[in-house]
Amino acid sequence: DIQMTQSPSSLSASVGDRVTITCRASQSISSYLNWYQQKPGKAPKLLIYGASSLQSGVPSRFSGSGSGADFTLTISSLQPEDFAIYYCQQTYSTPSFGGGTKVEIK
Amino acid sequence: QVQVVQSGAEVKKPGASVKVSCKASGYAFTGYYLHWVRQAPGQGLEWMGWINPNSGVTEFAQKFLGRVTMTRDTSISTVYMELTRLRSDDTAVYFCARANLLVGFDYWGQGTLVTVSS
Repeated sequence: DIQMTQSPSSLSASVGDRVTITCRASQSISSYLNWYQQKPGKAPKLLIYGASSLQSGVPSRFSGSGSGADFTLTISSLQPEDFAIYYCQQTYSTPSFGGGTKVEIK
Repeated sequence: QVQVVQSGAEVKKPGASVKVSCKASGYAFTGYYLHWVRQAPGQGLEWMGWINPNSGVTEFAQKFLGRVTMTRDTSISTVYMELTRLRSDDTAVYFCARANLLVGFDYWGQGTLVTVSS
């Protein structure tokens, strides 16, 4: 099974900050990497697929990069509605998720 | 519009079984795999398995082998996930999600809380 490791596990940031979350796979997964946002009591929401493609309806301040085993999710200017938990997911083989990154208000 | 709607919350005793349903609408039911993902209280997302609604073929995560079954009823565009021999650590919210081959899990159900308690 492919293990996904996210860092940091949590971070504090202010509105307007640039935020970067990283995700590392235990082996190469090409670009089969997706990012999700989850708010309390809600289902996850797909943000980025194929490592760098923005899902329809997702604001352009979200972007993804990387390939192989190392990936990044960037929020260019954090907005109040972006405080949530973010998960990466690989679909190169049987799916697996990273442990999550909680983005909190500083 | 695409919708994925799950059955309601369940409370079960240890050793019992639970069957959660997931009804899809707004798209060709047999054209997309449906996956099940669970989330224990305060924890991350855990993938459980998938079902191909067209063929009924399934694949499960190793840790659930022997305890989970996934089935479908194409006449009502519904898939089911049954988990047997429940333990307290099976207490979680169970989600079903549509898998779009090139996009990821693009539509999710609202989640079903399963509580296992004596």
